[in-house]
Amino acid sequence: DGGITQSPKYLFRKEGQNVTLSCEQNLNHDAMYWYRQDPGQGLRLIYYSQIVNDFQKGDIAEGYSVSREKKESFPLTVTSAQKNPTAFYLCASSPDPGELFFGEGSRLTVL
Amino acid sequence: AQKVTQAQTEISVVEKEDVTLDCVYETRDTTYYLFWYKQPPSGELVFLIRRNSFDEQNEISGRYSWNFQKSTSSFNFTITASQVVDSAVYFCALSEAGNTPLVFGKGTRLSVIA
Repeated sequence: DGGITQSPKYLFRKEGQNVTLSCEQNLNHDAMYWYRQDPGQGLRLIYYSQIVNDFQKGDIAEGYSVSREKKESFPLTVTSAQKNPTAFYLCASSPDPGELFFGEGSRLTVL
Repeated sequence: AQKVTQAQTEISVVEKEDVTLDCVYETRDTTYYLFWYKQPPSGELVFLIRRNSFDEQNEISGRYSWNFQKSTSSFNFTITASQVVDSAVYFCALSEAGNTPLVFGKGTRLSVIA
């Protein structure tokens, strides 16, 4: 099946630990995105990549890092520098301007 | 700068009622795209519609319809004869020309009660 696969679906982390969220797509899309969703806040852009080996910061990039070594993969690392990491994280890809295809999301909880 | 405002945080309707979700946007570009997405309880966002700024025709798809008015910078979404399965969070989004990432509104949570 074609689509976006995010893993893990649920993740618990202790304060001070880094954690990496996986995002893989087999849609052959050039662009990939990471959004963060908090209750009542909508979706806010963390990082995006329009081509392999290149990525740009979004509105809330502090405390996060990404890599784009392969077209299919765009992992997000939530570092210990992120002060409030508990949230729902959504990965998406896009073949052209705007229309995003989303994964099922990863819910991160910091204990 | 681009901005999307969904003033309605939560709406509750009884099944079979019609409901309109409001979306107001801001952009300085003359070329842009507007979107609606649905987020059911499972969490995954589902694409509903894309409109470009040069196409002001209203769109109807089954029980769903969209009213795009550039004069008021609005792109409202109406569900006719709502059903329980329509219960979800609905997001309006905007992308300016040049392949910029989508900017989302804060969403409207719709609850349809049987």
